Amino acid sequence: DGGITQSPKYLFRKEGQNVTLSCEQNLNHDAMYWYRQDPGQGLRLIYYSQIVNDFQKGDIAEGYSVSREKKESFPLTVTSAQKNPTAFYLCASSLQTGRTEAFFGQGTRLTVV
Amino acid sequence: AQSVTQPDIHITVSEGASLELRCNYSYGATPYLFWYVQSPGQGLQLLLKYFSGDTLVQGIKGFEAEFKRSQSSFNLRKPSVHWSDAAEYFCAVGAGYSNYQLIWGAGTKLIIKP
Repeated sequence: DGGITQSPKYLFRKEGQNVTLSCEQNLNHDAMYWYRQDPGQGLRLIYYSQIVNDFQKGDIAEGYSVSREKKESFPLTVTSAQKNPTAFYLCASSLQTGRTEAFFGQGTRLTVV
Repeated sequence: AQSVTQPDIHITVSEGASLELRCNYSYGATPYLFWYVQSPGQGLQLLLKYFSGDTLVQGIKGFEAEFKRSQSSFNLRKPSVHWSDAAEYFCAVGAGYSNYQLIWGAGTKLIIKP
C-alpha cells in the first residue's frame, strides 16, 4: 500500500535531549512537509522540501532541523533549542508544492518529561 | 497576504441533521481549495478538493463543497450527519506553482449530539 509512515507514534524526551522523528513515503512524491499541531492552532509549517538535498524553513523552524538525502525520507530533529517541543507532529507529502493535495502520516506525539 | 478563516471553532449538530462548515479565504487569483478531516490522534484525510470547473464538488463520506468566488468561500456541507463524522475539519488553500505551501484554517471541531 502506498502511503506515509511516521514513527514512532508516541515519543518521550527528557529536557535537553535531541530527538529525531521519522517520516517515510512510498508515493514517489517530490514535496514533503513537517507540521506542528497544537490545540486550537491548526497546522503550522516547520520545514518543507521540494526536491532531494533541498529544504526550506517554514513559519516555525527555530529549534528544528531536517535532512532530505533520499526522496522517500524526510526526518525531523527536535533539538534542545526548541523551547516548547511537546506537540503533535505531522509529516505530509505531495506531488507539487501548493498545487496538489497533501497526504498525511498518522502523526507523532512528542512529550517532554 | 493569503489567509484562510474558519469562523466556527466548534459546531454541535444532532445526528441526522444537516451540516455546513464555513471557510473563507483571501487570495487574489483562483486558489486551489481543500477540505481535510482529522480524527483525534490521527493524521489528516482529504475529503475533497477544487481546482477548476464545476463549483460544486463531491467528496468522500457524503460531503460536498461549493466554491463561491464572489464570497471568497468554500463551505463544506453534508445533508445528514452520522456520529462517525465527529472530528476536526480543516480548510486549506494552495496558491499555485509559485507557492510553496498550503495555507491552513484553524479548524472546526464537529460535535454530534445523539
